Amino acid sequence: TQLLEQSPQFLSIQEGENLTVYCNSSSVFSSLQWYRQEPGEGPVLLVTVVTGGEVKKLKRLTFQFGDARKDSSLHITAAQPGDTGLYLCAGDQAGTALIFGKGTTLSVSS
Amino acid sequence: DAGVIQSPRHEVTEMGQEVTLRCKPISGHNSLFWYRQTMMRGLELLIYFNNNVPIDDSGMPEDRFSAKMPNASFSTLKIQPSEPRDSAVYFCASSTTADNEQFFGPGTRLTVL
Repeated sequence: TQLLEQSPQFLSIQEGENLTVYCNSSSVFSSLQWYRQEPGEGPVLLVTVVTGGEVKKLKRLTFQFGDARKDSSLHITAAQPGDTGLYLCAGDQAGTALIFGKGTTLSVSS
Repeated sequence: DAGVIQSPRHEVTEMGQEVTLRCKPISGHNSLFWYRQTMMRGLELLIYFNNNVPIDDSGMPEDRFSAKMPNASFSTLKIQPSEPRDSAVYFCASSTTADNEQFFGPGTRLTVL
């Protein structure tokens, strides 16, 4: 059983479109991290959300942590080819190792 | 800082051979993680260490896999004997604490023929 479910699994869009990807769980997390992984490289942290209902913005990327701290979303405005990659969410249950979802593979074509 | 260093970057071996993957974590980081990534199963945690001590090895697939961390600056993941189903990208990551931001190495792409 996957503790963190990410959807959609794959997403292929045109440059300029908006998109949202989701990270859902039945468990509560102390915090949730979002990573992006480009082909041939390891994942790199984008943001950490800690407070229920928290919204963080990173240029065209908007991250939200659910009020109950069980889910999160990542919204990208006006996607660009450079946004292409695997987006992973990872939950922290206080003191244990992070739990990673399987990720959403995003492809943005020009 | 050089970041997390992994070697080799690519390894091709034949079934039954021993494979050793190496990792140098970021200096000052107390936690080290070994992951395996495949399309089917995503990023799987194999084992992690805190202060060189193995904390959770429940993700290690079977006895063919073993990991060591003899000191704070070096860790190995060994597969003996290797099998084709072990083919994957293996990542090492380090962090200041187990639940903090993880810094990943570039990975080792293992192919077992």
